[in-house]
Amino acid sequence: AQTVTQSQPEMSVQEAETVTLSCTYDTSESNYYLFWYKQPPSRQMILVIRQEAYKQQNATENRFSVNFQKAAKSFSLKISDSQLGDTAMYFCAFIPNSGYSTLTFGKGTMLLVSP
Amino acid sequence: NAGVTQTPKFQVLKTGQSMTLQCAQDMNHNSMYWYRQDPGMGLRLIYYSASEGTTDKGEVPNGYNVSRLNKREFSLRLESAAPSQTSVYFCASSEVSFSNYGYTFGSGTRLTVV
Repeated sequence: AQTVTQSQPEMSVQEAETVTLSCTYDTSESNYYLFWYKQPPSRQMILVIRQEAYKQQNATENRFSVNFQKAAKSFSLKISDSQLGDTAMYFCAFIPNSGYSTLTFGKGTMLLVSP
Repeated sequence: NAGVTQTPKFQVLKTGQSMTLQCAQDMNHNSMYWYRQDPGMGLRLIYYSASEGTTDKGEVPNGYNVSRLNKREFSLRLESAAPSQTSVYFCASSEVSFSNYGYTFGSGTRLTVV
């Protein structure tokens, strides 16, 4: 069974600063995908960024980037130039590329961006 | 351009009452899912349907039943609601179950059982 661990229940950052959210996972699979989802107060689940395990290059989407360390089973999210609208719960998620696999989520990190 | 539609958005039940949460997607996805979200627990999979005509248990299936009515619709039923089922419920869908593009989620149903 796969597990996803987010060790930071809450984090805070000031506007325009950079923040990094941590995620580790445990799996015996060699090929899989990793995701970061954002859940603002509206409750909607929004896909922020995805990473394919077989790609060494870290994914980037505008102000969002990841640091993917496959050997360490680590997948952190870096948010640059933080904005008030980045205030949300962030979930790390994992899915193996096999059979009837399903998406497994971490417990989440609440990020508060202050002026 | 609706994506995944869940109804209702809010519901209050008394202990022992039954209800069905409805979910429909218009993206021609094969796979659909029900998750529950509780504070400090993340999202946990209740049931899923990898394709029309199949359903399987997830991590927390007790107290729930599901029906994959057709390719578009996947419902979740609580036969006898309990306070422990107070939660936010999300329906999601994907082209295939091991989707490398993640899942598309509905906006959730906040259920309170008193």
